[in-house]
Amino acid sequence: EVQLLESGGGLVQPGGSLRLSCAASRFTFSSYAMSWVRQAPGKGLEWVSAISGSGRSTYYADSVKGRFTISRDNSKNMLYLQMNSLRVEDTAVYYCAKESTNWPEDRLDPWGQGTLVIVSS
Amino acid sequence: QSALTQPASVSGSPGQSITISCTGTSSDVGSYDLVSWYQQHPGKAPKLMIYEVTKRPSGVSNRFSGSKSGNTASLTISGLQAEDEADYYCCSYAGSPTYFFGTGTKVTVL
Repeated sequence: EVQLLESGGGLVQPGGSLRLSCAASRFTFSSYAMSWVRQAPGKGLEWVSAISGSGRSTYYADSVKGRFTISRDNSKNMLYLQMNSLRVEDTAVYYCAKESTNWPEDRLDPWGQGTLVIVSS
Repeated sequence: QSALTQPASVSGSPGQSITISCTGTSSDVGSYDLVSWYQQHPGKAPKLMIYEVTKRPSGVSNRFSGSKSGNTASLTISGLQAEDEADYYCCSYAGSPTYFFGTGTKVTVL
């Protein structure tokens, strides 16, 4: 069974930085695109970013473009999200999710358990 | 671009059928047969229930079905059960690539 385990969340001040990690196991990691999706407290889901299986192509929601950077280390089966210039509105549970192919376009399955990021002074 | 539109809540009695709508635009739902639906119980991660408009992943009950007409996709839950009480989100590929999620629907089993 595919496993995804996020880490790195926590409390950070506005303007600060945080790096999220997602450890993947039990599938050929480099063959699949990956995405980050977030959910603000009591709110709906928002797609944040995606990366192709090779890592050469990256994509971002307008709300995080220029502030967040998605990356992956296929040798370690790890996905990352570097978050800079954090804002209060970035407060959310961040989920990593596996795509169905090498390209992000179809479905997200499965999802990790999420990691909570709180941006507050 | 904004989120896809779903009703805030839908309810039904055990055994009944309910349908959740998901309205987008000609740039997302209307352009791609890449609509998926996710179930989320409180405090849990979302779970894929339907993908590519009508397909069910292995292990998902056949009580769940999906459809699409124009810019609106729908999820139908037949034979409603207590365990179906959860939040449901639609999601559509929108090119670039990018995804748009729906606003979410809370399903209540009366």
